[in-house]
Amino acid sequence: NAGVMQNPRHLVRRRGQEARLRCSPMKGHSHVYWYRQLPEEGLKFMVYLQKENIIDESGMPKERFSAEFPKEGPSILRIQQVVRGDSAAYFCASSPVANPGELFFGEGSRLTVL
Amino acid sequence: QQQVKQSPQSLIVQKGGISIINCAYENTAFDYFPWYQQFPGKGPALLIAIRPDVSEKKEGRFTISFNKSAKQFSLHIMDSQPGDSATYFCAASGGATNKLIFGTGTLLAVQP
Repeated sequence: NAGVMQNPRHLVRRRGQEARLRCSPMKGHSHVYWYRQLPEEGLKFMVYLQKENIIDESGMPKERFSAEFPKEGPSILRIQQVVRGDSAAYFCASSPVANPGELFFGEGSRLTVL
Repeated sequence: QQQVKQSPQSLIVQKGGISIINCAYENTAFDYFPWYQQFPGKGPALLIAIRPDVSEKKEGRFTISFNKSAKQFSLHIMDSQPGDSATYFCAASGGATNKLIFGTGTLLAVQP
């Protein structure tokens, strides 16, 4: 039973480029969360999605960031026109139920913006 | 009111000693309090969790103590081992909060 799969594990982008991070939840899990972790800091909630629905995006920056979880395929966190301050580890977590509950985390995607 | 405050930021303990990490919250609607362990380059993994109907939960060397009136909870690691060296995060969820709110983390180093 595979865990939460994230790719790419490492991504390097230049300022102004786009970054796409993908997350496949655990089998049977329909709830996906994205968190951002800056160096030496905790995990900051970004967005909570269910299939084809954004449930809570209160932690998402108003501009340049978007997320989706389509009916088929992985969840995508998209960052347009990246800036150096976007450099961070982005973690995806999944849960089989709403209102967690244990979250199962992937190993993260580490974005470096040059 | 959505914050979870965690201390200390870092902790050094000798092998065999007790590691204690503390967290405090304000939202009385929170009803689930987990602790996560994270090793460098890895994702966080659930270590132990408690709900407010009990004041203590023990799993092996790890114990959560919960004080509902003070709105505080803590993680105790007994007989700390070098392999316990990691970053520990407390978290909380419940009520209208449909997500886990994490503390800022404690970097634990257990010296041999």
